[in-house]
Amino acid sequence: RKEVEQDPGPFNVPEGATVAFNCTYSNSASQSFFWYRQDCRKEPKLLMSVYSSGNEDGRFTAQLNRASQYISLLIRDSKLSDSATYLCVVNIGGNEKLTFGTGTRLTIIP
Amino acid sequence: DTAVSQTPKYLVTQMGNDKSIKCEQNLGHDTMYWYKQDSKKFLKIMFSYNNKELIINETVPNRFSPKSPDKAHLNLHINSLELGDSAVYFCASSPRGDSTDTQYFGPGTRLTVL
Repeated sequence: RKEVEQDPGPFNVPEGATVAFNCTYSNSASQSFFWYRQDCRKEPKLLMSVYSSGNEDGRFTAQLNRASQYISLLIRDSKLSDSATYLCVVNIGGNEKLTFGTGTRLTIIP
Repeated sequence: DTAVSQTPKYLVTQMGNDKSIKCEQNLGHDTMYWYKQDSKKFLKIMFSYNNKELIINETVPNRFSPKSPDKAHLNLHINSLELGDSAVYFCASSPRGDSTDTQYFGPGTRLTVL
């Protein structure tokens, strides 16, 4: 089983729709969780950290379910500019090592 | 005023050559990293340094040798390049190197080995 697993997509979603991705992780000792965004041929950038109580940043909501070992990302009222690959990232060992999922590719269609 | 910069942006070279990629961060961060992103877009850590000290060394062939002359710089030297080394190499930095840190990535170096 991969340490961090995501549906690679692609997800093709009409503008204005709501879209959600899940990501599962294998190590129950994982401590920190993040969503990064990577645009085509660009570097990954932090979208948001994921906290145990769930957190929201504008149209984006992240949730953590430790019992089932998954994190989710919800995007409401999607915009064309949301088209990107969304990387689920987990810190497993408590040090600075991040383990990246392979990413979920999202395309917002006008 | 780029936060994390890498040179070169593109590198095309023949198999068997030796090449270096440079990385610099002006964020005052203590920790720097090298990642490799292969053709399937899988991003995997190679090395991390904290204040010039090697912290993480994943299972990377010893043809790859990182060097950190100071905490703002982390260079990657690759000997005897192989076809399988073709990938995008990202440098990153983080403030302290702890589990909650955000990592800031450079723009990447696209290496093509012919």
